[in-house]
Amino acid sequence: DAGITQSPRHKVTETGTPVTLRCHQTENHRYMYWYRQDPGHGLRLIHYSYGVKDTDKGEVSDGYSVSRSKTEDFLLTLESATSSQTSVYFCAISEVQKTPEAFFGQGTRLTVV
Amino acid sequence: QKEVEQDPGPLSVPEGAIVSLNCTYSNSAFQYFMWYRQYSRKGPELLMYTYSSGNKEDGRFTAQVDKSSKYISLFIRDSQPSDSATYLCAIQAGTALIFGKGTTLSVSS
Repeated sequence: DAGITQSPRHKVTETGTPVTLRCHQTENHRYMYWYRQDPGHGLRLIHYSYGVKDTDKGEVSDGYSVSRSKTEDFLLTLESATSSQTSVYFCAISEVQKTPEAFFGQGTRLTVV
Repeated sequence: QKEVEQDPGPLSVPEGAIVSLNCTYSNSAFQYFMWYRQYSRKGPELLMYTYSSGNKEDGRFTAQVDKSSKYISLFIRDSQPSDSATYLCAIQAGTALIFGKGTTLSVSS
């Protein structure tokens, strides 16, 4: 298994509170991604990073911010959580310029009440 | 129109059946086509990928790409209960993957 660890694995939070999800990799892959998965929508890209301090928006970036201060860590922050952000969040890593394969973490199940 | 369309199913088949899963895509510039398998409450795992057109076979699984009709398929021969999962097609678009919605497959013994 690719060395990807997501934390926490489960979280329940209240509307309006800030939430940070962490993705940690041990593979030294350049690219890191945050996706969310919802019934009827599949996997949708939130943000991605192509290097330390280099990030870009995905399809559903509103309400989310990211940071990558080290190669191995990619943080996803919900500044003020809303119920529409209840979802399962997946981190992925890749070396897309060498191979198209992306490796996924186990997911974080976030519930905003 | 979304860039990748996939019928979400669900699809139920008996053990031993041949399964066909399909996606369509909109951008003819796409070159890498992938199939991921996702078990319940797990992250997606890559099954196989193809580059450009043609077929690729791996055991009981065959991936097929028809670029002229922008159609990608995954065939599963002699399906097993352990194949019960959600199958997601994906296309590499630049530096990220675009996924279909996934098809949930159930194989009964």
